[in-house]
Amino acid sequence: AQKITQTQPGMFVQEKEAVTLDCTYDTSDPSYGLFWYKQPSSGEMIFLIYQGSYDQQNATEGRYSLNFQKARKSANLVISASQLGDSAMYFCAMREGPDNYGQNFVFGPGTRLSVLP
Amino acid sequence: DSGVTQTPKHLITATGQRVTLRCSPRSGDLSVYWYQQSLDQGLQFLIHYYNGEERAKGNILERFSAQQFPDLHSELNLSSLELGDSALYFCASSARTSGANNEQFFGPGTRLTVL
Repeated sequence: AQKITQTQPGMFVQEKEAVTLDCTYDTSDPSYGLFWYKQPSSGEMIFLIYQGSYDQQNATEGRYSLNFQKARKSANLVISASQLGDSAMYFCAMREGPDNYGQNFVFGPGTRLSVLP
Repeated sequence: DSGVTQTPKHLITATGQRVTLRCSPRSGDLSVYWYQQSLDQGLQFLIHYYNGEERAKGNILERFSAQQFPDLHSELNLSSLELGDSALYFCASSARTSGANNEQFFGPGTRLTVL
């Protein structure tokens, strides 16, 4: 079974508008972390934002925010005021495992975002 | 630039061969992670090392092995290569092995092509 699901293989958004990229996850571990990464066409992986399973507030980093709904096991990424440079592949990932030892990471299949001028 | 370096950038080899991919983590980072990114499998976590010790294993084949040396650089060895091993191999590093916000910094990747 997929541990990370990203149901949108591709999305389009108009420049300067907000967009939400969906991510649902599956774990029985009470302690976990959720990450979003961006992969531009150049190939590098860029960390965007993190949400811990015990965090009470939704994470925010500049134009990025994470809509964390623990009961629904969803961790959607919201990008506000989209820019052309936001066009990329976006991966949702989850860290599982005991917080004080080895860490197993699982990535979703990704969503390709295209920002239109 | 994440501070993580990987060599070589590109590698072309034949089936049945063995290759070694090298990764140098960011200065001070003790954790190294290896990932494989292929078109059909997506991004797969392979293995995690912390300060020379193996800490977690993901979907790593028995033909693959890794190690982290005392200077903290890491090598991923791929043997008896098959066409399906063609992929982009990423190394990532982080400052520690535990903690909530254990952000990983990714290297530029090594693109392996098996012919």
